[in-house]
Amino acid sequence: ETGVTQTPRHLVMGMTNKKSLKCEQHLGHNAMYWYKQSAKKPLELMFVYSLEERVENNSVPSRFSPECPNSSHLFLHLHTLQPEDSALYLCASSQNGSPNEKLFFGSGTQLSVL
Amino acid sequence: AQSVSQHNHHVILSEAASLELGCNYSYGGTVNLFWYVQYPGQHLQLLLKYFSGDPLVKGIKGFEAEFIKSKFSFNLRKPSVQWSDTAEYFCAVTPPFGGYNKLIFGAGTRLAVHP
Repeated sequence: ETGVTQTPRHLVMGMTNKKSLKCEQHLGHNAMYWYKQSAKKPLELMFVYSLEERVENNSVPSRFSPECPNSSHLFLHLHTLQPEDSALYLCASSQNGSPNEKLFFGSGTQLSVL
Repeated sequence: AQSVSQHNHHVILSEAASLELGCNYSYGGTVNLFWYVQYPGQHLQLLLKYFSGDPLVKGIKGFEAEFIKSKFSFNLRKPSVQWSDTAEYFCAVTPPFGGYNKLIFGAGTRLAVHP
């Protein structure tokens, strides 16, 4: 148990659906992250939030919309996705977002877009 | 393009064999270096990290890694592996630009240790 919980664990959606991924951390951290892990590709950083402010958007398409209502919760809203968006989406948190900090990862949401 | 490279995608060893997993990065300047591990069915977790000081870093479970600046490398080593070391290992770097943690991962190396 890392203290970072992601729901749902699995999600299947059509290209016209709207769904949301949820991440919650119980570690008192101030920085949260979304990563995408596709088959046979390195983990890709998508978004970084520090103190509920988005500080990094790594050229992610607008069909992915993050939301950080408070320092414990992070959402990823999905709409009109493509089949190539199927992947494991990992949430992580760290103390303050400094470059030498350890990241604590959740178990991920396995997303399939049909 | 600037990146993190892990040389081996799959490694198979017998118990008690020595392990070295290669990692090279292409960023100049001061970087922070990490190895993360994902055991079967578990989440990613930190194995060890380097950001300053002694370039030989010791982590959990008998792992160590050596930062060689001139070679842009941060190879992971363990003198004698166990079956329980079967996992996927990821090298990661935070580049020297930007003030926030923008961890860039390698593609990972799957290690299988046979009894």
